Amino acid sequence: GENVEQHPSTLSVQEGDSAVIKCTYSDSASNYFPWYKQELGKGPQLIIDIRSNVGEKKDQRIAVTLNKTAKHFSLHITETQPEDSAVYFCAEGLRQLTFGSGTQLTVLP
Amino acid sequence: GAGVSQSPRYKVAKRGQDVALRCDPISGHVSLFWYQQALGQGPEFLTYFQNEAQLDKSGLPSDRFFAERPEGSVSTLKIQRTQQEDSAVYLCASSPTRRGLQNTGELFFGEGSRLTVL
Repeated sequence: GENVEQHPSTLSVQEGDSAVIKCTYSDSASNYFPWYKQELGKGPQLIIDIRSNVGEKKDQRIAVTLNKTAKHFSLHITETQPEDSAVYFCAEGLRQLTFGSGTQLTVLP
Repeated sequence: GAGVSQSPRYKVAKRGQDVALRCDPISGHVSLFWYQQALGQGPEFLTYFQNEAQLDKSGLPSDRFFAERPEGSVSTLKIQRTQQEDSAVYLCASSPTRRGLQNTGELFFGEGSRLTVL
């Protein structure tokens, strides 16, 4: 992997609303795109991942979409809850991961 | 333990001191990574081990950084003559599979070692 850009850097939503975080990448050979959640003082934890042969993947309230032509992928969280508040990182890579700069998500009760 | 364990959790060093950071991966995990995470940034790759073999050290920022995993389990990241720019959280991650084109999947991260160089 080379460069991964992530937006926005901060995001505040009301509880119950949806949150969307977007990432773009530069390496056209990339084919694995995970999303990690990092809580304060903890290590990142995988929440969902997608491979390049799939355009969308869902797991309960979380979904990821991938557009290989445009080289971007997005994380969608529906029905947000206060415990979703954390820093979220997109990443890409096969062996070592290249991470985005993170999005601080705050879910307001 | 059930997860990746790192020690110390916090380390304060004077500039010029040597430090050693330890990682105990999940038992049986083949792959082990070290990442450096500066404040407010995403983790950045340092080095990768497959069992005891260091297959990639392209992310190590200088020759002051050295990592080893002599028996294919516990790993140590050593930083010699620490500088202020070395201040960061050092994350260790392990994976049950070899890493490559067909083997991706989850990395299990430890809680990190926060290094502060004064």
